[in-house]
Amino acid sequence: AAGVIQSPRHLIKEKRETATLKCYPIPRHDTVYWYQQGPGQDPQFLISFYEKMQSDKGSIPDRFSAQQFSDYHSELNMSSLELGDSALYFCASSFWGAVATEAFFGQGTRLTVV
Amino acid sequence: AQTVTQSQPEMSVQEAETVTLSCTYDTSESDYYLFWYKQPPSRQMILVIRQEAYKQQNATENRFSVNFQKAAKSFSLKISDSQLGDAAMYFCAYRSPQAGTALIFGKGTTLSVSS
Repeated sequence: AAGVIQSPRHLIKEKRETATLKCYPIPRHDTVYWYQQGPGQDPQFLISFYEKMQSDKGSIPDRFSAQQFSDYHSELNMSSLELGDSALYFCASSFWGAVATEAFFGQGTRLTVV
Repeated sequence: AQTVTQSQPEMSVQEAETVTLSCTYDTSESDYYLFWYKQPPSRQMILVIRQEAYKQQNATENRFSVNFQKAAKSFSLKISDSQLGDAAMYFCAYRSPQAGTALIFGKGTTLSVSS
């Protein structure tokens, strides 16, 4: 079965650079969630989208932005990168109303800022 | 706001033994969903088990079962017949019933399994 695809899997950037992370949800899933997991930390919710509209916002820095496209894939844009942005970034997808079921996670993008 | 607390940063168990991971949560909602996720060294987030708050019966998935105590707001995970492959970080997570809500995770418990 198709899973959530994230690209790239690994990314190394320098401070003050920009990065773009991509997420391709499971086919027909209409909702995408972004999470940030720092080293040894729990995943923190950043932002979510439903039908190309932002549906909820968590602890996403102003330097970050995201969008969902007509094919439901989503991109997380990160600017003015800081050392503290080094983390594993997860994307998860689900059907909008399917709160009782799991959100399916991608394998994550490991971002290292040097 | 809802919160999830896992009070055991680390736990250890021997192969074939049973271990219980604790999780408590705080919410004013009467209906919600609870999950346990496993994160092995590969860092992939894998669903272990889920529980709907309106169901009194505790969920079970093979060697994994939960003890859901709604009044106490407790949701512990029991792993029976532990295997080396169970070694991982385990996260307890809460989800509100509103459509599109995100998961709220606890800080996690690192489980090590020895032979």
